[in-house]
Amino acid sequence: TQLLEQSPQFLSIQEGENLTVYCNSSSVFSSLQWYRQEPGEGPVLLVTVVTGGEVKKLKRLTFQFGDARKDSSLHITAAQPGDTGLYLCAGVGNYGQNFVFGPGTRLSVLP
Amino acid sequence: DTAVSQTPKYLVTQMGNDKSIKCEQNLGHDTMYWYKQDSKKFLKIMFSYNNKELIINETVPNRFSPKSPDKAHLNLHINSLELGDSAVYFCASSPLGQENEKLFFGSGTQLSVL
Repeated sequence: TQLLEQSPQFLSIQEGENLTVYCNSSSVFSSLQWYRQEPGEGPVLLVTVVTGGEVKKLKRLTFQFGDARKDSSLHITAAQPGDTGLYLCAGVGNYGQNFVFGPGTRLSVLP
Repeated sequence: DTAVSQTPKYLVTQMGNDKSIKCEQNLGHDTMYWYKQDSKKFLKIMFSYNNKELIINETVPNRFSPKSPDKAHLNLHINSLELGDSAVYFCASSPLGQENEKLFFGSGTQLSVL
């Protein structure tokens, strides 16, 4: 069974601060995805990283895939209250149908 | 024009009852899923269907029976509901055979078993 761990579990910061959350596994995935989930809604895909060492930027969000394709990080610069939510990483298996989710990091950005 | 829609949004019922949750996607995707999110927000796959055929069936009690009348619909029927079934159930879909597969989720059904 492929398992994903995320840290920290909870994070509460002030608006304008920077933060990094992590996603780790002992397994190798063909790709890794990050989703954000807001209360009362389903998760929404933010990014997919495919190549080991890959870095992708989405405005103030920077995503990195580890060289060995077992871990990933999400860095947010100058966090805003709109960034508040549950951040989930998901490892994608070889056939694109097997998505394994981590337990999530609950981020709260205070104004 | 909601992409993945599931109904109802909220479901409150007594132990022992039978209930169904419906899901429809208008994205033309081949694969649909049911996920369960528990109180700790852990999202776990229950079932996956590709073009009306079951392809993933995780360790789920057989009280849960998915039904896919066509590839745009995947309904979830639950018999003899138990307290531990209380959770948020998400339907999702994904295109099959494309690079960078991604999941499109519905907004969830919050099931409370009393």
